[in-house]
Amino acid sequence: GEDVEQSLFLSVREGDSSVINCTYTDSSSTYLYWYKQEPGAGLQLLTYIFSNMDMKQDQRLTVLLNKKDKHLSLRIADTQTGDSAIYFCAESLNSGNTPLVFGKGTRLSVIA
Amino acid sequence: GAVVSQHPSRVICKSGTSVKIECRSLDFQATTMFWYRQFPKQSLMLMATSNEGSKATYEQGVEKDKFLINHASLTLSTLTVTSAHPEDSSFYICSASRQGYGYTFGSGTRLTVV
Repeated sequence: GEDVEQSLFLSVREGDSSVINCTYTDSSSTYLYWYKQEPGAGLQLLTYIFSNMDMKQDQRLTVLLNKKDKHLSLRIADTQTGDSAIYFCAESLNSGNTPLVFGKGTRLSVIA
Repeated sequence: GAVVSQHPSRVICKSGTSVKIECRSLDFQATTMFWYRQFPKQSLMLMATSNEGSKATYEQGVEKDKFLINHASLTLSTLTVTSAHPEDSSFYICSASRQGYGYTFGSGTRLTVV
């Protein structure tokens, strides 16, 4: 079945870059997403990438996709204390009809 | 962008009572609603998928008689936790979607059963 794996914790210093990694098993995944969750809140969509793309950049966020290795990463440049949160990687077969499959989430701690 | 309103954000109820959680898509018609449950420091666990006008499809291990889902319109879905018990205490999140438009999440409901 579908499975999404992420490392559970990451700690970086303010101003450094953060790289959060994710691997998935379903080669038919079409859309891959990164969500951010702050304590007690819902999920905020950060960015997404289609499976036919290798990279997508949006301001401080860069997503890299290695479809051959089924590996997805999220790089946050100039990490700020406000970036401290849990980051979820998720995949879906299409954009809306089928449920997202989430990783367990990576807790990012930013040290001032 | 798309907005999903989920209410209440926090609820405390007595064991044995029922609680209804609402999820409204404010500016788009959501053909599909997903309901998730999240335990502390864990990922989101899909409970059920509901399409407007149809019965919800529940994931294995989720009791459909306990977690009643109604998706009567394209903008509203409700989750009712019936005869709640302390083990039902959790964070419940809805997600509204439409083919080609992605997924929009509600802000979640913290349910505490005492």
